[in-house]
Amino acid sequence: AQSVTQLDSHVSVSEGTPVLLRCNYSSSYSPSLFWYVQHPNKGLQLLLKYTSAATLVKGINGFEAEFKKSETSFHLTKPSAHMSDAAEYFCVVRPTGGGNKLTFGTGTQLKVEL
Amino acid sequence: GAGVSQTPSNKVTEKGKYVELRCDPISGHTALYWYRQSLGQGPEFLIYFQGTGAADDSGLPNDRFFAVRPEGSVSTLKIQRTERGDSAVYLCASSLGGPRTGELFFGEGSRLTVL
Repeated sequence: AQSVTQLDSHVSVSEGTPVLLRCNYSSSYSPSLFWYVQHPNKGLQLLLKYTSAATLVKGINGFEAEFKKSETSFHLTKPSAHMSDAAEYFCVVRPTGGGNKLTFGTGTQLKVEL
Repeated sequence: GAGVSQTPSNKVTEKGKYVELRCDPISGHTALYWYRQSLGQGPEFLIYFQGTGAADDSGLPNDRFFAVRPEGSVSTLKIQRTERGDSAVYLCASSLGGPRTGELFFGEGSRLTVL
């Protein structure tokens, strides 16, 4: 079974400093991986996705993630945090070959301080 | 509307009661999904519709849960004999194509509280 592990339940950064949200995946084959963001009282929004093309994936709002097969990781980064980035972030895996069941991690709550 | 719409946004009910949650997907989206998000957890898959039919209902926890999409658009998630453990946010999502291609667009969810 495929799964993702988000290593930090909470991350706190200062505005203007880099963001790193960690995610490791477990999969027998090359999976499709995603990052979603959930702002308070808003629906989940897709930030970016990896589907076996380029290993460095750029998403919206300046976020990017790098797929590292040797480390089974798909960490989310942003060079400079903004107050509006405060939200919950979910790392997500989709089974190899497609399929309907996205498997979500437990989420990382990002706090951005002045 | 422009996005996925879910009603009610909040529902409080008593143990043993019947509940219906509605999802109105983005116009033209053929695929519709239900997920459940418990406190402190990521969303968990419940069921997937392609058109009017349930293509995959393997995530429904038991036979108290049922979902329909009779005309291939609006979907209703039905929960019979609710239990306190059913308390969660129920999320609906839709996509233009099937799960291999289309991005999932999520609604804001229906928060169910069973007392």
